[in-house]
Amino acid sequence: AQSVTQLGSHVSVSEGALVLLRCNYSSSVPPYLFWYVQYPNQGLQLLLKYTSAATLVKGINGFEAEFKKSETSFHLTKPSAHMSDAAEYFCAVTASGGYQKVTFGTGTKLQVIP
Amino acid sequence: DGGITQSPKYLFRKEGQNVTLSCEQNLNHDAMYWYRQDPGQGLRLIYYSQIVNDFQKGDIAEGYSVSREKKESFPLTVTSAQKNPTAFYLCASSIAGTNGNTIYFGEGSWLTVV
Repeated sequence: AQSVTQLGSHVSVSEGALVLLRCNYSSSVPPYLFWYVQYPNQGLQLLLKYTSAATLVKGINGFEAEFKKSETSFHLTKPSAHMSDAAEYFCAVTASGGYQKVTFGTGTKLQVIP
Repeated sequence: DGGITQSPKYLFRKEGQNVTLSCEQNLNHDAMYWYRQDPGQGLRLIYYSQIVNDFQKGDIAEGYSVSREKKESFPLTVTSAQKNPTAFYLCASSIAGTNGNTIYFGEGSWLTVV
């Protein structure tokens, strides 16, 4: 069984401030982890993914995430928020080995205040 | 451009009616998925298919049906047995299975019961 928990359904930051969106996972086998972004009324777009190659993963739009096995975390960060970052962000986990279902978190809505 | 096309974008259903949501992909992906998205609940898997003429139930398959007669197409029928069908529906696809492979999403379809 696998699961993800996203702490905070809503996060507000000022433009130019650090963005930190939290994701903790649970998996009985080595996981693959993803962050997706969803703009209003649209589908999800991949920001970045961890597939065990490197613990610090860089994605699009200046986002990055660090896999920390000891903390079972995969938090998403961006040094300086931009107005265009306002969206909903989803963390997702799947397990290695054959076909495995992808489990999504409940999402975090990011508000960027000018 | 390659991608996933969902239609219609907005659909209204009367009580007791079946409706079908279309999903077509030209990414040459073997696996396709249908997710339901409700506010605050993240994405929930309805059905998935790893190969033509084969599909499996996801977590919330009751009241839904699918077919996979062609690799490119994975239509979802919302039947009258689905008691609360108002939601945002997302079709997705990936290279066979989800073993670390990225899931690509369509733009989604809104279904409203009137």
